[in-house]
Amino acid sequence: GNSVTQMEGPVTLSEEAFLTINCTYTATGYPSLFWYVQYPGEGLQLLLKATKADDKGSNKGFEATYRKETTSFHLEKGSVQVSDSAVYFCALSDSSNTGKLIFGQGTTLQVKP
Amino acid sequence: NAGVTQTPKFRILKIGQSMTLQCAQDMNHNYMYWYRQDPGMGLKLIYYSVGAGITDKGEVPNGYNVSRSTTEDFPLRLELAAPSQTSVYFCASSQGTQNTEAFFGQGTRLTVV
Repeated sequence: GNSVTQMEGPVTLSEEAFLTINCTYTATGYPSLFWYVQYPGEGLQLLLKATKADDKGSNKGFEATYRKETTSFHLEKGSVQVSDSAVYFCALSDSSNTGKLIFGQGTTLQVKP
Repeated sequence: NAGVTQTPKFRILKIGQSMTLQCAQDMNHNYMYWYRQDPGMGLKLIYYSVGAGITDKGEVPNGYNVSRSTTEDFPLRLELAAPSQTSVYFCASSQGTQNTEAFFGQGTRLTVV
């Protein structure tokens, strides 16, 4: 079946450090890929997405590229801020066209000043 | 814009009690979902609905029931609460296609003691 695997956290970085959170997936067909972010005490919100191979999603300085050959969708940011502290979820939506999401386990990011 | 509204935000139940988690959306989305979030496990789909009167099971439906009498509302019913149902519950809605964003409520933290 379809699945998503994320690197385990927590990840602790100093402000302005480079961030990478790894995500790999297993899926049949051609899924769409997403990164959602959950700030403390809030629900999830979409950070970025990519819908086909080699697409790059980007938002708020975050980027991720849909790599079909390595079945990966790693999240990167060149310079993190304290306000980026949150839980990040990688997810896929399969071709069933029901919008159902399969999530990775989440990675907690803490950025220290 | 209210988006997706969940009530209550917190609840403590005793084993064997029942309750209904409420969810309402004002975006006229046909597709709605219930997920549960357990520590270190990501989100798992409980039930989903593709429109009023139509519901289907997700990955972890046991112990739960849903109904969808209107486009706006998608309540989740817990019968005979068990400690294993201690979790954070998120309701979400979307337009339902593979590529579209899901909008999440702020969650309900449920503890069964």
